[in-house]
Amino acid sequence: GAVVSQHPSWVICKSGTSVKIECRSLDFQATTMFWYRQFPKQSLMLMATSNEGSKATYEQGVEKDKFLINHASLTLSTLTVTSAHPEDSSFYICSARRINTGELFFGEGSRLTVL
Amino acid sequence: RKEVEQDPGPFNVPEGATVAFNCTYSNSASQSFFWYRQDCRKEPKLLMSVYSSGNEDGRFTAQLNRASQYISLLIRDSKLSDSATYLCVVNGNTNAGKSTFGDGTTLTVKP
Repeated sequence: GAVVSQHPSWVICKSGTSVKIECRSLDFQATTMFWYRQFPKQSLMLMATSNEGSKATYEQGVEKDKFLINHASLTLSTLTVTSAHPEDSSFYICSARRINTGELFFGEGSRLTVL
Repeated sequence: RKEVEQDPGPFNVPEGATVAFNCTYSNSASQSFFWYRQDCRKEPKLLMSVYSSGNEDGRFTAQLNRASQYISLLIRDSKLSDSATYLCVVNGNTNAGKSTFGDGTTLTVKP
């Protein structure tokens, strides 16, 4: 089946630093990737839609200057959490939508802890 | 009203039971539909696509009712390992725009 690789799986950083998370579709092309965050026992919350070659579309309430998204190719999107603070600690998950089928395939998620 | 709505449950059923989940969507032009399963602290995994003609995969049956704008998932002969959160996903456009999730329905299968 289709594989999406997300890296890193775990990251612990100090407050004020920036963290980059990568999302790669390994065996298919995805013009659209999505970034979510999920708090314990809560549902997935869509942060932004990442479109290859164009600017990301952010959901209401998500700061675009804080969560920088780049989708430079059909297989790679990155999320950078800038100047991270403890309240940014969460589980960040990406998904890639396969062209023509619409199926979403998820990365394994990145657990961010900001000290 | 949310674009995609699911009964959050929880559904607590004994092993062997049959359980059904529904998911309603508001955009009548939606093009593709899916069910995902998410285990605790893991990413969602595709369970099955949902087609207008209905489709079955072992103990799982998915149906789409475009007139009433809902999709359903039926699980027969529940196993302990079916315990998870089930998410429905609706694409307004298969190749563009947003994929919208329901909040998920939690299923617990008990011995």
